[in-house]
Amino acid sequence: DSGVTQTPKHLITATGQRVTLRCSPRSGDLSVYWYQQSLDQGLQFLIHYYNGEERAKGNILERFSAQQFPDLHSELNLSSLELGDSALYFCASSVEGGINEKLFFGSGTQLSVL
Amino acid sequence: DQQVKQNSPSLSVQEGRISILNCDYTNSMFDYFLWYKKYPAEGPTFLISISSIKDKNEDGRFTVFLNKSAKHLSLHIVPSQPGDSAVYFCAASGTGGFKTIFGAGTRLFVKA
Repeated sequence: DSGVTQTPKHLITATGQRVTLRCSPRSGDLSVYWYQQSLDQGLQFLIHYYNGEERAKGNILERFSAQQFPDLHSELNLSSLELGDSALYFCASSVEGGINEKLFFGSGTQLSVL
Repeated sequence: DQQVKQNSPSLSVQEGRISILNCDYTNSMFDYFLWYKKYPAEGPTFLISISSIKDKNEDGRFTVFLNKSAKHLSLHIVPSQPGDSAVYFCAASGTGGFKTIFGAGTRLFVKA
């Protein structure tokens, strides 16, 4: 158990809909990262938050947004969903978010857009 | 633009033999490299890392080698065990960005 909690584990929705994925980092970790893993793809970096502030952005679509709340949990909002958004979404956390820190991953949210 | 590449989608090895997983990167700003292991229905877990100031790091059966001039790193597992069967991700991070970039992963099968 990594200590990172992601909910829900599975999500099935229709095109055009909006969903929210939730992540609770390990106790004491200030940084939260979101990654997307599509079929046969690696982990695509989406966004990194540190102590409530956005720190780095990857190839995150404009239809996607994220935030980190004062209690350090994070939410990833996906809107106007398309079939291609079907993927496994991982959240990870680390203590400070430094470049030489290892990440602790949750078990992911499997999103299916039908 | 794939900055971290794992060109072998899968690798099959006999139990007790050596497993060698390879990774190439293109961004010379990367200076910290990590390997993660992922079992089905679980998130990736950290395995081993190496800083760019080193060319080798060892932890039990796992050794990571870094060749900076070739922008290449490899993970050696000796001896391989059936429990090592998993997907292995190579990852890199560096100055100028607070993000860790992952490769596509290599699925390792260790046959008993």
